Amino acid sequence: EVQLVETGGGLVQPGNSLKLSCATSGFTFSTAWMNWIRQTPGKRLEWLAQIEDKSNNYFISYLESVKGRFTISRDDSKSSVYLQMNNLKEEDTAIYYCTWNLGGFYWGQGVMVTVSS
Amino acid sequence: DIQMTQSPASLSASLGETVTIECLASEDIYSNLAWYQQKPGKSPQLLIYYANSLNDGVPSRFSGSGSGTQYSLKINSLQSEDVSIYFCQQNYDSPFTFGSGTKLEIK
Repeated sequence: EVQLVETGGGLVQPGNSLKLSCATSGFTFSTAWMNWIRQTPGKRLEWLAQIEDKSNNYFISYLESVKGRFTISRDDSKSSVYLQMNNLKEEDTAIYYCTWNLGGFYWGQGVMVTVSS
Repeated sequence: DIQMTQSPASLSASLGETVTIECLASEDIYSNLAWYQQKPGKSPQLLIYYANSLNDGVPSRFSGSGSGTQYSLKINSLQSEDVSIYFCQQNYDSPFTFGSGTKLEIK
């Protein structure tokens, strides 16, 4: 069974940082293209970043509006993917999902990030 | 960026009816189109990928079609458990963009 479990969410003040982690199982992580997607309180879905596998040199792509603030990374030895988020803003408040891109996305259960003073 | 225009925004239908949700891409996405179902309080679940391929475990009353810029999701014989929000998403080019969602309710 495919499982993706996100951790690391919470309440953070504007300008601060947070690192999300996603532990996976049930599929061959080393060849998987992994993504982070968020869902705003209004239910809008926004793709944030993708990291490809080793055979594609771990190529990374970002949504332009988070480039320079968010960093996606992976550890194949731990079947895990991460999202480092810096200089957080109130508009980053959302549920953050770890996803596996297989032509369509498989999703974790999500983790809430609230940016507020 | 590729824009995804999804319609209708909401839909109310009776049990047993057939409903169709449409998605229009701002450019050709070569069938790289996925559909998701999101039930209240849950994460989205993949229904259809590559426009018309049914994901494992998804009931056969769900089907996808389309090509180029126009795609649709059809649900036959509507069941009470189909009450959800449905999203389309293009997987052709990053940033991978989503439709704004269709909220399906039972009359």
